[in-house]
Formats: sequence, C-alpha cells, structure tokens
Amino acid sequence: EDKVVQSPLSLVVHEGDTVTLNCSYEVTNFRSLLWYKQEKKAPTFLFMLTSSGIEKKSGRLSSILDKKELFSILNITATQTGDSAVYLCAVAHNTDKLIFGTGTRLQVFP
Amino acid sequence: DAGITQSPRHKVTETGTPVTLRCHQTENHRYMYWYRQDPGHGLRLIHYSYGVKDTDKGEVSDGYSVSRSKTEDFLLTLESATSSQTSVYFCAISRPSHGELFFGEGSRLTVL
Repeated sequence: EDKVVQSPLSLVVHEGDTVTLNCSYEVTNFRSLLWYKQEKKAPTFLFMLTSSGIEKKSGRLSSILDKKELFSILNITATQTGDSAVYLCAVAHNTDKLIFGTGTRLQVFP
Repeated sequence: DAGITQSPRHKVTETGTPVTLRCHQTENHRYMYWYRQDPGHGLRLIHYSYGVKDTDKGEVSDGYSVSRSKTEDFLLTLESATSSQTSVYFCAISRPSHGELFFGEGSRLTVL
C-alpha cells in the first residue's frame, strides 16, 4: 500500500531556531515529491522535487530528496512566527493523483 | 492565484439531507480533484476528474458522487449526508506537466 509518513507530528520552537521536517514514502512508480504549507486555509505550494541530491531553495526554506532511501527533508532556518503552519508532504506516482502525509504542525514562538 | 472558487464556503446540514459542493475554475485545466481533510488523516482524495464526463474514484469515495458536465465546474454530491462526512473539503486543479496541485479555499461542512 502506498504511503507517506511525516515526522515529527508537531514541533514547537523559538524564533531564530532552525528546524528540519521529515518525509518518508513508499509508493510505486514514484514521479515527484511536493511540499506544501498550510496556514488557516488552503495549502500553498512550496517545492517539487524529482531528482535526488538537488537542493531546492526559497529564502530561508530548502528541501532535498533522497530517492535511494525514500525520504525528503524540509529545512527552515532562522524561523519566524510567520512560519507557524502545518507543512504537508505529498508524493505523485504514475497516476495523476497525490498521496499526502498527515503533516507536521510547526509552532514558532517569539 | 489558480482561479479556483468553492461554494458554499460553510454549510451546516442535518443527517440524511443531500448536499452539493461546487468547484469552479477559470483557467481551463483538465484535471480537477476533491479532497477532504480531517485531523489525523491529512488530505484524502475522494474523486477526481480528467476531463468532461471523465471521473474516477479516490481512496475515500464511498458516500460521494461527482459530476463534470463542463470543464470549469466539478461538483461533489453527498446523496445522504452522515456525521462522518463532517469535514473540510478542498477542490484542487493541476497541470499534468507540472504535477503540483493548486487548492481552492475549502468548504467547511458540518453534518448534525
């Protein structure tokens, strides 16, 4: 059965800390792995990763994929209160559907 | 902004009543999806569509039906709502060559 597992489920940090969110997967015919940020409303797209070892960066956020070990990490450096959200990992396989993990809830306190 | 609107945004209904949620897109995307989001379960696919009149089931399709008579509209119907269908429902579209989904703002449904 295809599955995506995220850890930790929840994380509480102070502003300025660096955090690492994990996503492992088991899917047939992997095509890509995606990260989303969800605040109060709809998930918003962060990154899509298709190749191992190539880091994607956007400001203080970065992500990398390891297709051999079947996982990805999302790093956030110098966290801010605005980073507080649920971060979702999803995997696309050979169909046109995404399988989502249950998310990591990040809370950043001043 | 992917041009997706969902309606209604909030609805409270009673067990056994029919409910229809509408998803409207303005960008002519071929693929549209309905997900539900519940605590501890993340986003789960209910149904999806890959063109007008072409739909398929997702992992939690029981109790739901969909229709797509026009490219821009994808309707999700609960024929007889149950309390277990209390959830937040998200519509999404994707461009197959890109892979990422773009989500609507969500519809919060409460079944009493």
